[in-house]
Amino acid sequence: GAVVSQHPSRVICKSGTSVKIECRSLDFQATTMFWYRQFPKKSLMLMATSNEGSKATYEQGVEKDKFLINHASLTLSTLTVTSAHPEDSSFYICSARDFRDTSLGETQYFGPGTRLLVL
Amino acid sequence: GESVGLHLPTLSVQEGDNSIINCAYSNSASDYFIWYKQESGKGPQFIIDIRSNMDKRQGQRVTVLLNKTVKHLSLQIAATQPGDSAVYFCAEGGSFQKLVFGTGTRLLVSP
Repeated sequence: GAVVSQHPSRVICKSGTSVKIECRSLDFQATTMFWYRQFPKKSLMLMATSNEGSKATYEQGVEKDKFLINHASLTLSTLTVTSAHPEDSSFYICSARDFRDTSLGETQYFGPGTRLLVL
Repeated sequence: GESVGLHLPTLSVQEGDNSIINCAYSNSASDYFIWYKQESGKGPQFIIDIRSNMDKRQGQRVTVLLNKTVKHLSLQIAATQPGDSAVYFCAEGGSFQKLVFGTGTRLLVSP
């Protein structure tokens, strides 16, 4: 099956610093990637849709200047949390869709997630 | 607005039993539905999906049923095993490939 990786898996940073999270599709090309945020014991909330070669589309309430998304290639999207604060601490998960996938369900393949802790 | 929810936050079963996890959705225009399994500290893992023009779909030990009349989706796991213990999410596929996730059900399987 399709494999999506994320790096780092865990990161601790000081308040006010910026953190970059990478999402890679390892064995397929993804024209579209998605970034989600998940709080403990809660569901996934879509933050933005990342499109290769164009600007990301952010969901309502998500600050685009705080959560910078870059999708420079068909296998890599990055999420940068700028000027991080403790309330940004969360589990960030990306997903990708194989652009060749025309099968039932528009399947998204998820990465393992990145645990961010801002002190 | 669009919402996807679950009736039971926690489901406890014995090993070998069949499990049924339910999900209610509100957007009748959704084109497809997906069930994901998430283990602690990991990303969601695809289990099975179904299109809105189908009522039932079967996979290995899993069956998804879709009742569009009452906007209800269920995941049936046959012969549940301890390794099935996880949080299960239903997700609704809408426009622009975006998924709306339900609140999740924790499945606990006792040996």
